[in-house]
Order: sequence, then structure tokens, then C-alpha cells
Amino acid sequence: ETGVTQTPRHLVMGMTNKKSLKCEQHLGHNAMYWYKQSAKKPLELMFVYSLEERVENNSVPSRFSPECPNSSHLFLHLHTLQPEDSALYLCASSQDYLVSYEQYFGPGTRLTVT
Amino acid sequence: QKEVEQNSGPLSVPEGAIASLNCTYSDRGSQSFFWYRQYSGKSPELIMFIYSNGDKEDGRFTAQLNKASQYVSLLIRDSQPSDSATYLCAVNIVGDSGGSNYKLTFGKGTLLTVNP
Repeated sequence: ETGVTQTPRHLVMGMTNKKSLKCEQHLGHNAMYWYKQSAKKPLELMFVYSLEERVENNSVPSRFSPECPNSSHLFLHLHTLQPEDSALYLCASSQDYLVSYEQYFGPGTRLTVT
Repeated sequence: QKEVEQNSGPLSVPEGAIASLNCTYSDRGSQSFFWYRQYSGKSPELIMFIYSNGDKEDGRFTAQLNKASQYVSLLIRDSQPSDSATYLCAVNIVGDSGGSNYKLTFGKGTLLTVNP
């Protein structure tokens, strides 16, 4: 595997379900990110991890819970989501966070909440 | 609110023409600028980055940066139908806590259509 991978690629879940999104980067990077992309809106940064520590949480509802067990893996745990949470969830990584390195994106998880 | 603005388009150009995509940003402290291409249903793919004023060329792509005017553009020469995509401008904007805390802020993207 190369670059940034994400699983699953598609997910349909009910509002009472609990599911997790997984991201893995094979680039040796130190920073990882979760973004949400909804139709007609810019990419929204949700969470940033640098060296496994959360450094940014952009006022994201608590029904989204990130986890970063090591610098290569990032999870987004989902529970009691709302239909408006349906979107493309993108994971990205960069060499470091505190300097302005370019970010590389995974293929995304298309989430539908029914 | 620190913002990145792009014309949403669609921008339609004939095959072989030059496509010009523009972006303005509000934070004078921004130091790095990126262009991503996103095909429908796919994730953003980095195509260019630029840090210094002036032009940076990579194949058919040229990024232009003017920090005084807070303006960055992407030129695509000899446009091909395969260039049809949404182009996202992204700017590293200094976070609210200042210092070296940067946040990559995206514009809404410009939809480019290259007609055969």
C-alpha cells in the first residue's frame, strides 16, 4: 500500500448505529487530519493530530470521536449521527503540522446516514 | 474570519486553450499556497504548491503568486478534456492562537470543463 488509505470506502448507517472510519498513511508523516466535504461547501477541517496528540478540534459535535493510536493510524468513531452528517470524510497527512507542509489525501469514505 | 475565495464557475474552455483559475485570500500572514484537483467522486489531489512571489511552472501548469495583492492563480496550458475537474485553492492561514500554528483553509473550488 502506498500513500494514504481509508476504509471503508462507502458506509450507510442508521442514526442509532456506531461505526468507525479508519485511515492509514504509509508516508512516514507526523501529522494526520480529518476533513468533512459536503456538497456546495468548502472542505471543513475537523481534527488534527500531530505525533499522536490532538492539536485542533474545530467545534465538532461529540458524536464524532477521533482516535490516533500511532502516527500512522487515525480513526473516526461515529455514534448517533444525524442525516446532515452525510458527506465525504477525508483523511490527510503531512510531514509535520507546525510548518506549512503540503497535505496528501486518502480516497475518502462516502457516508450516508439514514 | 480568514477566508479563501474562488469563483465557483463553471469555467468552460475549448481543448487546447489556456484555462485561468483565480483565488484570493484574506490573511496577509499566509506563506504557502496549494492547488488541488478533484475529479467528481474522488478525493483532492495535490498538483502545485508555491511559496514565493512570482511564477512556478510544472509541465502544463503554472502557479502565480502575488502576496501584495493576496492573489494566487493557476494556469493550465493546452487544456485537455481530462483536465475537467474542480480545482481547489488552499492557503495555510495562521491559526487563531498565532505563532507557527497553521490551518489549511480551502476555497469552495472552481469547476473547469474542457470541451473537445
